Amino acid sequence: TQLLEQSPQFLSIQEGENLTVYCNSSSVFSSLQWYRQEPGEGPVLLVTVVTGGEVKKLKRLTFQFGDARKDSSLHITAAQPGDTGLYLCLHPRGKLQFGAGTQVVVTP
Amino acid sequence: EAQVTQNPRYLITVTGKKLTVTCSQNMNHEYMSWYRQDPGLGLRQIYYSMNVEVTDKGDVPEGYKVSRKEKRNFPLILESPSPNQTSLYFCASSSFLGGETQYFGPGTRLLVL
Repeated sequence: TQLLEQSPQFLSIQEGENLTVYCNSSSVFSSLQWYRQEPGEGPVLLVTVVTGGEVKKLKRLTFQFGDARKDSSLHITAAQPGDTGLYLCLHPRGKLQFGAGTQVVVTP
Repeated sequence: EAQVTQNPRYLITVTGKKLTVTCSQNMNHEYMSWYRQDPGLGLRQIYYSMNVEVTDKGDVPEGYKVSRKEKRNFPLILESPSPNQTSLYFCASSSFLGGETQYFGPGTRLLVL
């Protein structure tokens, strides 16, 4: 079983600030996905990273896959209230297991 | 519109009364799965199905049953619900289990009294 650990568990910031959330494991992953879940809805895929060292950008969101493919980070620049949600990482192979998630709250 | 639907969205029941939560997808996906989401525990997989008539246990299968008689449907059955099954349940599907996007339903909030 490949355990995904996410940190921090909770993050509350003001609009305009930057934030970074992490997804770590002791195992090597062939790929990793990040999802965002808004209140009352199911998770929605943001990005898939596949190559060690890969960096992907989605507007103000920057995703990085560690060189050793054991960890990933999500950085949000100039956060907005619309970024509020639960951010989840997933290794999309085998028996699917999500990390516990990071709850991000961005206040105006 | 490509989507995963779940019914009901909200359900209050009593201990021991059998219930079924339906899940249907219109994307011709092979892979379907059920999760429960509890505060601080994230999404935990209950059961999954690789294709019709092929199902397997996830991490928390106790107290649940599933069936996959048709490709599009994957109902979750609670034969004798208990209060510890009070949770938010999600159904998901993907084209195959190999790095593809998981598409989630809107969730079913279940309260067992």
